[in-house]
Amino acid sequence: AQSVTQPDIHITVSEGASLELRCNYSYGATPYLFWYVQSPGQGLQLLLKYFSGDTLVQGIKGFEAEFKRSQSSFNLRKPSVHWSDAAEYFCAVGAVSGGYNKLIFGAGTRLAVHP
Amino acid sequence: IAGITQAPTSQILAAGRRMTLRCTQDMRHNAMYWYRQDLGLGLRLIHYSNTAGTTGKGEVPDGYSVSRANTDDFPLTLASAVPSQTSVYFCASRAQGGNTEAFFGQGTRLTVV
Repeated sequence: AQSVTQPDIHITVSEGASLELRCNYSYGATPYLFWYVQSPGQGLQLLLKYFSGDTLVQGIKGFEAEFKRSQSSFNLRKPSVHWSDAAEYFCAVGAVSGGYNKLIFGAGTRLAVHP
Repeated sequence: IAGITQAPTSQILAAGRRMTLRCTQDMRHNAMYWYRQDLGLGLRLIHYSNTAGTTGKGEVPDGYSVSRANTDDFPLTLASAVPSQTSVYFCASRAQGGNTEAFFGQGTRLTVV
């Protein structure tokens, strides 16, 4: 069965520091991978996605993620965090299974940014 | 502005009452979803619909029902609300295909007392 694991529930970084949020997935074929961000009281917004090709993908707000098939990972990174990046981040895998388009989410990582 | 709209934004509901959460999209997406978000559990799929006229059960369907009479609307009904259904509910839509982006509504915060 497909699944997504985000090992870190909470992460705190200082403003200006680098960031890496971890995501591991379980899926039998080449996955479609997504990172979403949720600001407090808001819905989810797509940061970036990977389907094929270059394993390093660029997203909005200065985020990037790298797909590593050997590690079943799709970690999200940002070189310098801004206070406005404080939010909850969700990794997701998309798949077609049983005739329906699944979109399976991890439990999320809540990011706090210290000034 | 194209997008996905949920109503109400928030609701306090007495246990045992019936409640319908509304969801409308104007992007002509075939697939629509209802998720509930609970602290530490992320988003869990309640029901989905691949296209108008079809629906299916997700991960946590008990106590909920959906209908998809047309492409745009995907209401979620709680027939007899219980406190464990207190949650934030998100509706989402996406075009057909596993590699398409999902668009989310702003959520409905439901408290069952």
